[in-house]
Amino acid sequence: QSALTQPASVSGSPGQSITISCTGTTSDVGAYNYVSWYQQHPGKAPKLMIYEVSNRPSGVSHRFSGSKSGNTASLTISGLQAEDESDYYCSSYTSSDSYVFGTGTKVTVL
Amino acid sequence: QVQLQESGPGLVKPSDTLSLTCVVSGYSISSSSNWWGWIRQPPGKGLEWIGYIYFDGSTHYNPSLKSRVTMSIDTSKNHFSLKLTSVTAVDTAVYYCAKKLTSKTWFDPWGQGTLVTVSS
Repeated sequence: QSALTQPASVSGSPGQSITISCTGTTSDVGAYNYVSWYQQHPGKAPKLMIYEVSNRPSGVSHRFSGSKSGNTASLTISGLQAEDESDYYCSSYTSSDSYVFGTGTKVTVL
Repeated sequence: QVQLQESGPGLVKPSDTLSLTCVVSGYSISSSSNWWGWIRQPPGKGLEWIGYIYFDGSTHYNPSLKSRVTMSIDTSKNHFSLKLTSVTAVDTAVYYCAKKLTSKTWFDPWGQGTLVTVSS
């Protein structure tokens, strides 16, 4: 099972919106609405930000939103803030009854 | 509030067995509502799902690691464990334990992680 493809880096200025893509196949991202997103600050554990494509857990800012089209899922951060600077990983359930993560995206706030 | 904490040797020799334990606090590991998983992250790289275990001992492993992985659970001590045999340098990683709701497809929360280095 190959890792899902994410851009290595995305940057934006404070207040702007950015979008991180996560491209898979018809066996994972395209097959189910089971994409989740995690935020990982350096040296810290991943934190769940989005589950089932577009749902936010309690406590996660409304500035984070998720969507999906075909084999590509996306995470959008609106009103970018300095605290959003972090690594982000997508994950998908697969038709092999397993889980695959994305390659990871480093978000930089300019 | 559920918390998870990994523990185990930070250094393992090549060809040996890596053994880690995840202690769960604030929540009973015997609950039928959850699976308990392991995910790893090589230094500077992405995440890899290893597998998870249910309170009754049922397991589900990543096919790519299945031949080397064994997970176990001890409900009396409220912890679960990972064993990975025949390790090599590519198994060097931060190992995380995490909770997964039954019939759901995300992991939350995660433990802080523990670095395991495979080296002689």
